[in-house]
Amino acid sequence: NAGVTQTPKFQVLKTGQSMTLQCAQDMNHNSMYWYRQDPGMGLRLIYYSASEGTTDKGEVPDGYNVSRLKKQNFLLGLESAAPSQTSVYFCASSPGQGKNIQYFGAGTRLSVL
Amino acid sequence: GESVGLHLPTLSVQEGDNSIINCAYSNSASDYFIWYKQESGKGPQFIIDIRSNMDKRQGQRVTVLLNKTVKHLSLQIAATQPGDSAVYFCAETPASGGSYIPTFGRGTSLIVHP
Repeated sequence: NAGVTQTPKFQVLKTGQSMTLQCAQDMNHNSMYWYRQDPGMGLRLIYYSASEGTTDKGEVPDGYNVSRLKKQNFLLGLESAAPSQTSVYFCASSPGQGKNIQYFGAGTRLSVL
Repeated sequence: GESVGLHLPTLSVQEGDNSIINCAYSNSASDYFIWYKQESGKGPQFIIDIRSNMDKRQGQRVTVLLNKTVKHLSLQIAATQPGDSAVYFCAETPASGGSYIPTFGRGTSLIVHP
């Protein structure tokens, strides 16, 4: 049982480049989330998806876009990367109701030069 | 202890001691709380949870206490081991009928000295 899988694990971009961070879960969870974590700080929600085909903005959505075309996948896009987007990105999934325990991936470490 | 808006607090303990990590939450309407553990280089991992109709819940070597009057949550780790060294986050979730989106605190770094 893989749980939540994020790819890639590491990425270096130049300012202005674009890329997509991939997230897959095999727990049949309804909800999925993208967070960023900066040094000494907690998790800040970028976007979330309560169900397949729906997405909503979180606390820090600017500069990102997402898609949830399949229930098991949640993609995070950076259209034009900026140094301020250097961070560790975590994807999570959860049942979405009741005891909404989140299960996290191992993270993607992104550096924008 | 942990409090939103401040530097990441650090708790240093000796192996074998009991550890207490604190969290002040903000929303009096929150009814579900979770503690997560994040080891270096990994994603957060669920430890224990508690609903607002309880004031104490015990797991294996961990106990969570909830004081709704002062909006305070604590995580107690008994006989702390070096493997417990990590950053611990509390998360609060609104009552049913809402978006179920949890709000995370900034975390407390626990360092266990052998």
